[in-house]
Amino acid sequence: AQKVTQAQTEISVVEKEDVTLDCVYETRDTTYYLFWYKQPPSGELVFLIRRNSFDEQNEISGRYSWNFQKSTSSFNFTITASQVVDSAVYFCALIQGDYKLSFGAGTTVTVRA
Amino acid sequence: DVKVTQSSRYLVKRTGEKVFLECVQDMDHENMFWYRQDPGLGLRLIYFSYDVKMKEKGDIPEGYSVSREKKERFSLILESASTNQTSMYLCASSLRVSNQPQHFGDGTRLSIL
Repeated sequence: AQKVTQAQTEISVVEKEDVTLDCVYETRDTTYYLFWYKQPPSGELVFLIRRNSFDEQNEISGRYSWNFQKSTSSFNFTITASQVVDSAVYFCALIQGDYKLSFGAGTTVTVRA
Repeated sequence: DVKVTQSSRYLVKRTGEKVFLECVQDMDHENMFWYRQDPGLGLRLIYFSYDVKMKEKGDIPEGYSVSREKKERFSLILESASTNQTSMYLCASSLRVSNQPQHFGDGTRLSIL
């Protein structure tokens, strides 16, 4: 069985603050893939990043960065200098072996102007 | 860009009706998926298909069926709609390789009265 936990249900910040979203996963496999998706108010889930279990290198893309730590089974996501357009629900997800994604419950981020 | 199109953004049906949700993708993806999204539960997989006429049950298939007669189209069927099927339904597609990201449609918000 696999499981993804996003302990933070909602986070509210003021514009330009940094925000970190936690994701903890459980899996017995050594090969797996982790994803982050963003769901803005319009509803469509937008793919942000994929990370495989053998690549622990952190990644930065503009104001977004990801910290993958196998030792703690975590794949955390940080938005630096948040903007109102970052307001969305963010999902962490795990896939192993087959095609099925296991999603966390999501974290709702609200950025106030 | 991948385009996944769901036939309706909002749909209202009555208890006991047979409901069809349609999904079309334009990138020749082998895999297609149906999820439902409920607050606090994230996305849960209902069914997925890895080829034409092939289907597999996801985590919550009860009360649903699917049809995939053409590669680009994947239909979700509620045989006899019930109020507990009121939810947001999301369709996704991906390439066959398991580590590829899934691409999502805008979602259908279905209300069963």
